[in-house]
Amino acid sequence: EAQVTQNPRYLITVTGKKLTVTCSQNMNHEYMSWYRQDPGLGLRQIYYSMNVEVTDKGDVPEGYKVSRKEKRNFPLILESPSPNQTSLYFCASKQTGNTEAFFGQGTRLTVV
Amino acid sequence: DQQVKQNSPSLSVQEGRISILNCDYTNSMFDYFLWYKKYPAEGPTFLISISSIKDKNEDGRFTVFLNKSAKHLSLHIVPSQPGDSAVYFCAASAHNDMRFGAGTRLTVKP
Repeated sequence: EAQVTQNPRYLITVTGKKLTVTCSQNMNHEYMSWYRQDPGLGLRQIYYSMNVEVTDKGDVPEGYKVSRKEKRNFPLILESPSPNQTSLYFCASKQTGNTEAFFGQGTRLTVV
Repeated sequence: DQQVKQNSPSLSVQEGRISILNCDYTNSMFDYFLWYKKYPAEGPTFLISISSIKDKNEDGRFTVFLNKSAKHLSLHIVPSQPGDSAVYFCAASAHNDMRFGAGTRLTVKP
């Protein structure tokens, strides 16, 4: 089954404690991206990757890092989480060009 | 700077009637437009799309209309069903750069 898998689904952490949210896709898509969803703001792009070892900033990259060492995986790293990073995070993947993106089920992160 | 705007946070319609969700964009470079549906505790799922070379695309009960001169698109759902109740996101894409609107929560009442 074609899917994008994120882990964990829910996470509560404390300010400053490094964390990683994993994302994996099994569709051999070149393009992967991370979004955060906040009330009234929709889905805002954090980082995206056009292919292995190619990553670029989206609209809200501050406080986040990503890596793309393999085509299927695109982890999101918060080196020192802060409460304003409390949000619902979605990973997505798609073929390059004008195609639809496939989304993971989301990770609800709370930073206290 | 929101390049894709959905100005109606919510919409309520009666079962069987038409639902019309609207979306405006500012960047004339966008050439591909999509609608996604999102249920609680799930990721957005693709619903329907339209290329900038077309002005209409239909898929069953769902039709998307594109007015390039007005930089406006809309999603029509006819007839609306209670199962259509969800948050709908409009998205616009150019060269793999995909931007989303804030979403419209549609409630279809039985």
